[in-house]
Amino acid sequence: AQSVTQPDIHITVSEGASLELRCNYSYGATPYLFWYVQSPGQGLQLLLKYFSGDTLVQGIKGFEAEFKRSQSSFNLRKPSVHWSDAAEYFCAVKTGANNLFFGTGTRLTVIP
Amino acid sequence: GAGVSQSPSNKVTEKGKDVELRCDPISGHTALYWYRQSLGQGLEFLIYFQGNSAPDKSGLPSDRFSAERTGGSVSTLTIQRTQQEDSAVYLCASSLTQGKEKLFFGSGTQLSVL
Repeated sequence: AQSVTQPDIHITVSEGASLELRCNYSYGATPYLFWYVQSPGQGLQLLLKYFSGDTLVQGIKGFEAEFKRSQSSFNLRKPSVHWSDAAEYFCAVKTGANNLFFGTGTRLTVIP
Repeated sequence: GAGVSQSPSNKVTEKGKDVELRCDPISGHTALYWYRQSLGQGLEFLIYFQGNSAPDKSGLPSDRFSAERTGGSVSTLTIQRTQQEDSAVYLCASSLTQGKEKLFFGSGTQLSVL
């Protein structure tokens, strides 16, 4: 069965520091991979997605993610975090059945 | 409307009562999803509608939960005989088609069962 693991429940970084949020998936074939962000009081917004091709994908707000098949990972990165990036981040996997399965989320706190 | 609309935004009910949550997807979107987000938990898939196909109900946690989608548009999630563990935010999402299309989420309904 497919699953998505986000091992970090909560991460705190200083403003301006780099960020990496981890995501691992379990699925027999190459899935479609997504990162969504949920800001306080707001709905979920798509940051980026990977379907095929270039394994490094660029998203909105300066985020990028790299698909590594050998590690079954799709980690989210940002070179310099802004205070407005504080939010909950969800990795998601879409399988052939078209269901979108989410990880448990990583809460990002940004300190001045 | 411009986005996915959910109502009510907040619902407080007593244990044992039935509740109905409504989702109005973006016009023209054929795929509709329901998710549940409990405190400190991730997003739990509940049910998926795609066009006129039979819905994928594999995520519904019990037979107290049901959902329908009328005319391929508005969807209603019904929870019968609510329990305290049903307290969560219920999120609806829609996409233009199935497959690679990104999901657009509503703001959710906060359900509190006392």
